[in-house]
Amino acid sequence: QKEVEQDPGPLSVPEGAIVSLNCTYSNSAFQYFMWYRQYSRKGPELLMYTYSSGNKEDGRFTAQVDKSSKYISLFIRDSQPSDSATYLCAMKYPGANSKLTFGKGITLSVRP
Amino acid sequence: EAGVAQSPRYKIIEKRQSVAFWCNPISGHATLYWYQQILGQGPKLLIQFQNNGVVDDSQLPKDRFSAERLKGVDSTLKIQPAKLEDSAVYLCASSWGLAGEITGELFFGEGSRLTVL
Repeated sequence: QKEVEQDPGPLSVPEGAIVSLNCTYSNSAFQYFMWYRQYSRKGPELLMYTYSSGNKEDGRFTAQVDKSSKYISLFIRDSQPSDSATYLCAMKYPGANSKLTFGKGITLSVRP
Repeated sequence: EAGVAQSPRYKIIEKRQSVAFWCNPISGHATLYWYQQILGQGPKLLIQFQNNGVVDDSQLPKDRFSAERLKGVDSTLKIQPAKLEDSAVYLCASSWGLAGEITGELFFGEGSRLTVL
């Protein structure tokens, strides 16, 4: 079993739709959770991070963490064509030498 | 503020040849990372430097990959000899401190896309 599993894609939605992107993980030592966005032929960029269970909102984006179920989600409200990208979940343990473990990524296409 | 610079952006070589990638991190960033991203997969850490010392190279195939970060700034990643399975995007990233920071914010370059024929 991989440490981080991400829902397979690709995903295509109409503009204005609510999008739900999900990852599960197997290691309860993960404490910090991030979502990175990667546009085509670009490097990933940090979209959101959280380190506690519950919801964190930033504009149209909401990150949700459920540590008891080892499940994280990213919700995008009122999706826009500019949201078309690959979304990568990432997580790490506490500690100075901890490294990020990424999911495979899911490619989202928002149709105008 | 200038971002992470990488070169070359694209490289095509034949198997068993060698290739080198260069990275210039964001000014002042102490930590530098090299990731390998194979098509359809998430980035995989190859090596992590703190200043010019290696913090983690556990997933670096040391029989063919090498990396150095001289003077704690620029870094080069070399592959010799290349195999077909090395075809991937090689991403360089940097951050202010060690990856233990809570935000986990790494700043990535645009990557160097390698095709091995």
